[in-house]
Amino acid sequence: NAGVTQTPKFRILKIGQSMTLQCTQDMNHNYMYWYRQDPGMGLKLIYYSVGAGITDKGEVPNGYNVSRSTTEDFPLRLELAAPSQTSVYFCASTSADRGIQYFGAGTRLSVL
Amino acid sequence: RKEVEQDPGPFNVPEGATVAFNCTYSNSASQSFFWYRQDCRKEPKLLMSVYSSGNEDGRFTAQLNRASQYISLLIRDSKLSDSATYLCVVTSNAGGTSYGKLTFGQGTILTVHP
Repeated sequence: NAGVTQTPKFRILKIGQSMTLQCTQDMNHNYMYWYRQDPGMGLKLIYYSVGAGITDKGEVPNGYNVSRSTTEDFPLRLELAAPSQTSVYFCASTSADRGIQYFGAGTRLSVL
Repeated sequence: RKEVEQDPGPFNVPEGATVAFNCTYSNSASQSFFWYRQDCRKEPKLLMSVYSSGNEDGRFTAQLNRASQYISLLIRDSKLSDSATYLCVVTSNAGGTSYGKLTFGQGTILTVHP
């Protein structure tokens, strides 16, 4: 069972570069989420989606964009990377609103 | 005040000890409560949901006190494998919508030593 798959696992970016973090799930979940986790901190919600074609901002959306063209995929785009975006990024999905969330293994991003 | 607050620890306990974590939340309209476990450099995974009447899963017991707005996790007979960060998670409505959002505490670090 693949569950939630994130790529890449690690990435180093230079300031001002762009990249897309990929997230795909094979559980047919409608709800998907992107979080970031800074050292010693809890997870903060960046964006979420309640179904294909529907996305909305979370707590810390600035500097990021998302799209949800299919149920399976929920990519996160960083347009102009900044050092403040150095973090671990987790994608998650759930079948029901307020339900148990299943997380991907994370992407560790450093912006230098 | 943070929406969800936990004592970050670390808690260092010997094998076999009983340890308890508390978590407070500020939104009285919060609807669902969970404990997640996160191993070092790994993703969070659900440990257990927390029900109003309290619930137990093996060595783990979770309690909810809505009046005082806190939840707790009790671990009995600690094992080395219990060493991890324990995240308190609370759900409430995302601002301006009817959809739920999860709010995570910063986590409590537990180290169980021989």
